[in-house]
Amino acid sequence: EVQLLESGGGLVHPGGSLRLSCAASGFNFNTYALSWVRQAPGKGLEWVSVISGSGNSIHYTASVKGRFTISRDNSKSTVYLQMNNLRVEDTAVYYCAKAQNVIMVAAPLDVWGQGTLVSVSS
Amino acid sequence: DIQLTQSPSSLSASVGDRVTITCQASHGIINHLNWYQQKSGKAPKLLIYDASNLETGVPSRFSGSGYGTDFSFTISSLQPEDIATYFCQQYDNFPFTFGPGTKVDIK
Repeated sequence: EVQLLESGGGLVHPGGSLRLSCAASGFNFNTYALSWVRQAPGKGLEWVSVISGSGNSIHYTASVKGRFTISRDNSKSTVYLQMNNLRVEDTAVYYCAKAQNVIMVAAPLDVWGQGTLVSVSS
Repeated sequence: DIQLTQSPSSLSASVGDRVTITCQASHGIINHLNWYQQKSGKAPKLLIYDASNLETGVPSRFSGSGYGTDFSFTISSLQPEDIATYFCQQYDNFPFTFGPGTKVDIK
């Protein structure tokens, strides 16, 4: 069974840092792109970042560029989101999601984790 | 960025009713448009990909159509388990963007 399991969320002060992890199982990890998508409390979905299977292609939404860094360790079947200089508006549930198609960075997101909550507050 | 507009923002319908949601893109996105269902407290679930393709395991009462800038999503016969918020999403250009969502309720 294909599974994604996020961890690393928590409460942090503005300006602080967190590193989220997404552990994958049940598929050939290094051939699929992974995205992070977030959802602020009571709000809609916002795509954050994507990394290709090889790690060579990376994209971010503008509001996190320069503050967040996506990476992956294919030997551990894990993707990470390093979040620095966190702001109150980064408060959200963060989901990781798998691309539907092998190799493609731009693809539908066919498997999602359960999410991890990041709260940024003083 | 490509903006997606969904209509309506919410709807209430009876069991067995046909329900249609529309999604309009600010620029043409070919057929790079997906539909997700999100139940309360749960992760989103992919229902329709590439505008009209039914994801494996999804009931056939769900369908999608459209091309370019105008898309629609239909539930042919609303069931109680379909209570959820539905989002469209484009992946034609980075950043990927989602519509604001349509909350579907049972009357």
